Amino acid sequence: NAGVTQTPKFQVLKTGQSMTLQCAQDMNHEYMSWYRQDPGMGLRLIHYSVGAGITDQGEVPNGYNVSRSTTEDFPLRLLSAAPSQTSVYFCASSSVGDTQYFGPGTRLTVL
Amino acid sequence: KQEVTQIPAALSVPEGENLVLNCSFTDSAIYNLQWFRQDPGKGLTSLLLIQSSQREQTSGRLNASLDKSSGRSTLYIAASQPGDSATYLCAVPTGANSKLTFGKGITLSVRP
Repeated sequence: NAGVTQTPKFQVLKTGQSMTLQCAQDMNHEYMSWYRQDPGMGLRLIHYSVGAGITDQGEVPNGYNVSRSTTEDFPLRLLSAAPSQTSVYFCASSSVGDTQYFGPGTRLTVL
Repeated sequence: KQEVTQIPAALSVPEGENLVLNCSFTDSAIYNLQWFRQDPGKGLTSLLLIQSSQREQTSGRLNASLDKSSGRSTLYIAASQPGDSATYLCAVPTGANSKLTFGKGITLSVRP
């Protein structure tokens, strides 16, 4: 049981490049979400999903895209990277209303 | 809009002290409250989850309490150890759908 896994662990992009952050869970959780963590701002919700085929926006969705084709996977796409997207990104999963489990994070730097 | 506050932002105590970490929230209509631990450069580890119908939850040296009417939760750490040094965050969901609003955390340092 691997829990929540995220790849890559580190990434450096140039402004304007696109990339996908991967997230997978093996706990059969319905709920998955993406947060970003910035100094002084805390953790903020980007997008979330309550099940396969269902996604919705969180607090800071601009510049990010998600899809959920399976229960296990919830990738986060950066469409055109900007320096303001330099952050640490965390994926989380849970059964609805239950304990949330977080992945180890992806540290992204946009130059 | 729910707001979660944790004060102070940092705390330093000598080993062996019992300590209390505070968390306050503005909307008392919460479904549950969760406490997390985050070590530097790592992800979040869930410590305790208190359902809205509960007053307390305990796990080892940790005890979390919840007072919905006053919008407060406390995390009590007994006999603190240097290994307890980390950032502690509390979070509440928006409704039952698990969208969490986080406090900014309390960075705890336990001195040997």
